Amino acid sequence: NAGVMQNPRHLVRRRGQEARLRCSPMKGHSHVYWYRQLPEEGLKFMVYLQKENIIDESGMPKERFSAEFPKEGPSILRIQQVVRGDSAAYFCASSPGAGRPGNTIYFGEGSWLTVV
Amino acid sequence: KNEVEQSPQNLTAQEGEFITINCSYSVGISALHWLQQHPGGGIVSLFMLSSGKKKHGRLIATINIQEKHSSLHITASHPRDSAVYICAVIGGGSQGNLIFGKGTKLSVKP
Repeated sequence: NAGVMQNPRHLVRRRGQEARLRCSPMKGHSHVYWYRQLPEEGLKFMVYLQKENIIDESGMPKERFSAEFPKEGPSILRIQQVVRGDSAAYFCASSPGAGRPGNTIYFGEGSWLTVV
Repeated sequence: KNEVEQSPQNLTAQEGEFITINCSYSVGISALHWLQQHPGGGIVSLFMLSSGKKKHGRLIATINIQEKHSSLHITASHPRDSAVYICAVIGGGSQGNLIFGKGTKLSVKP
């Protein structure tokens, strides 16, 4: 049973380009979460998705950032018109859809975005 | 003041020592996670607690809901335990809306 798969692991983008980060949850998991870790800072929650629904996007920046988790395929975190401040590690995690708060969550290895 | 505070920030130990990392939080929570972030950056969930104590191998995690405090203990520490240990709580938000501590960087010397 493969774990949470993120790709690419490392991505370099020029200012103004778009970055797309993909996350395939563990088999059988229907809940996906995205977190961001800025350099020298702690992790911050961004967004919580279930299949075809955004459940909680309270941590998402209001502009340029979007996330989806389609019926088929991986979850995508999309950052438009990237700026240097978007350089960070982006972690995806997933959990089973049992509906109980506090389900153990499983993290991916992260995607490191560098904006030059 | 951060909602989740960890101490110490940095910890250096000799192989074999007993290690304690503390986490205090100021919000009501439904659960608390202890996470391990490896030097390469990957994150592993070690424990998820809502009460009492859990043990896995040489790792023990405890939580005191009344005191709003949790501890992570490592017995017979080993250099491979060197990592950043992160406490994260589920506060009033959704189940994935974790509030993270800044982490404790542990280095175990042989």
